[in-house]
Amino acid sequence: AQSVTQPDIHITVSEGASLELRCNYSYGATPYLFWYVQSPGQGLQLLLKYFSGDTLVQGIKGFEAEFKRSQSSFNLRKPSVHWSDAAEYFCAVGARGGYQKVTFGTGTKLQVIP
Amino acid sequence: SAVISQKPSRDICQRGTSLTIQCQVDSQVTMMFWYRQQPGQSLTLIATANQGSEATYESGFVIDKFPISRPNLTFSTLTVSNMSPEDSSIYLCSVVGQANEKLFFGSGTQLSVL
Repeated sequence: AQSVTQPDIHITVSEGASLELRCNYSYGATPYLFWYVQSPGQGLQLLLKYFSGDTLVQGIKGFEAEFKRSQSSFNLRKPSVHWSDAAEYFCAVGARGGYQKVTFGTGTKLQVIP
Repeated sequence: SAVISQKPSRDICQRGTSLTIQCQVDSQVTMMFWYRQQPGQSLTLIATANQGSEATYESGFVIDKFPISRPNLTFSTLTVSNMSPEDSSIYLCSVVGQANEKLFFGSGTQLSVL
């Protein structure tokens, strides 16, 4: 069965600092990987996805993620964090074509301080 | 893209009663799912809502507890039956966009069971 681990429950960064959120997955075949963001009182929004091809994926809001098969990781990065990035971030892995049986990690709550 | 309307947005219910949640999509979609997000936790897939046939439930979820209907390609309902406080969660409807570009989520139904 597939699984996702987000080892950091809560992260605090200063505005303007760089950010990296960790994600490790377990899946027996080629993974389909996603990062979603959930802002307070709002729904889930897809930041980026990886299905195949270039292992460095660019997303919305200046985020990027790198797929590393050897490390079973798909870490999310942003070079300079803005206060509006404060939210909860979920890494997810999909099976059978990408969208069926998507398994989410437990999330990382990001706090941004001035 | 796909715009998802979920009703109700929140409800407070008594133990032993049932609540039906509606999910309406502004376009015809092939894949539709129901997720649960328990307080402080990640999203868990309840079932895939299949148009014209019985839903496909994930391990730990059964039809008697979470009956699902999907009469057409734009609408589905999830019923939470014989509720207990443990059912207090956010329930989310999710669809795959027509272009198969991503998984869209509704804004969710926040359910509290007393």
